[in-house]
Amino acid sequence: DAGITQSPRHKVTETGTPVTLRCHQTENHRYMYWYRQDPGHGLRLIHYSYGVKDTDKGEVSDGYSVSRSKTEDFLLTLESATSSQTSVYFCAISGGTSDQETQYFGPGTRLLVL
Amino acid sequence: AQSVTQPDIHITVSEGASLELRCNYSYGATPYLFWYVQSPGQGLQLLLKYFSGDTLVQGIKGFEAEFKRSQSSFNLRKPSVHWSDAAEYFCAVVAMDSSYKLIFGSGTRLLVRP
Repeated sequence: DAGITQSPRHKVTETGTPVTLRCHQTENHRYMYWYRQDPGHGLRLIHYSYGVKDTDKGEVSDGYSVSRSKTEDFLLTLESATSSQTSVYFCAISGGTSDQETQYFGPGTRLLVL
Repeated sequence: AQSVTQPDIHITVSEGASLELRCNYSYGATPYLFWYVQSPGQGLQLLLKYFSGDTLVQGIKGFEAEFKRSQSSFNLRKPSVHWSDAAEYFCAVVAMDSSYKLIFGSGTRLLVRP
């Protein structure tokens, strides 16, 4: 299994509070991604990173920001959480030397915004 | 824009029966295609992938998928389903831009009858 961890694994927070989710990889992969999973929607891309300090938006980026100061860490921040951000968040990595396109997923973070 | 369609939201099969999960994609050139499986409360595990070459690809857990360009399909099959195969299955295609992001179908939930 790819070395990807996410923290926390579960979080309950209140509307209006800031929340930061962390993704950590030990594979030295170039690309890192944040997806959210909601029933009936599959997984949708929030933000991605193609290198240290290089990030870009995905299709559902409103209300989220990201940072990547080290190859191994990719942080997702909800500046002011809303109930619509209740979801399961998955981090993924890709860009291995032998296979650029295959993504490997972390175990997920379940977030409940009350 | 690229898209992936999984027309079956739920499928129920009896243990030991054969399985086929449908996936259709929209993309002009040869796509990079994936099937992932997600057990309840877990992350996504890669089952198999198709980039080029032989259109019948073998994956883990006895799964296979066939790429049919004429039908824009990449259906997942298994000759004999086990109870442990009950899970949600996602088909995905790599976006052909610089992000290498995955575009997912909405998933098919497989139920296995004893």
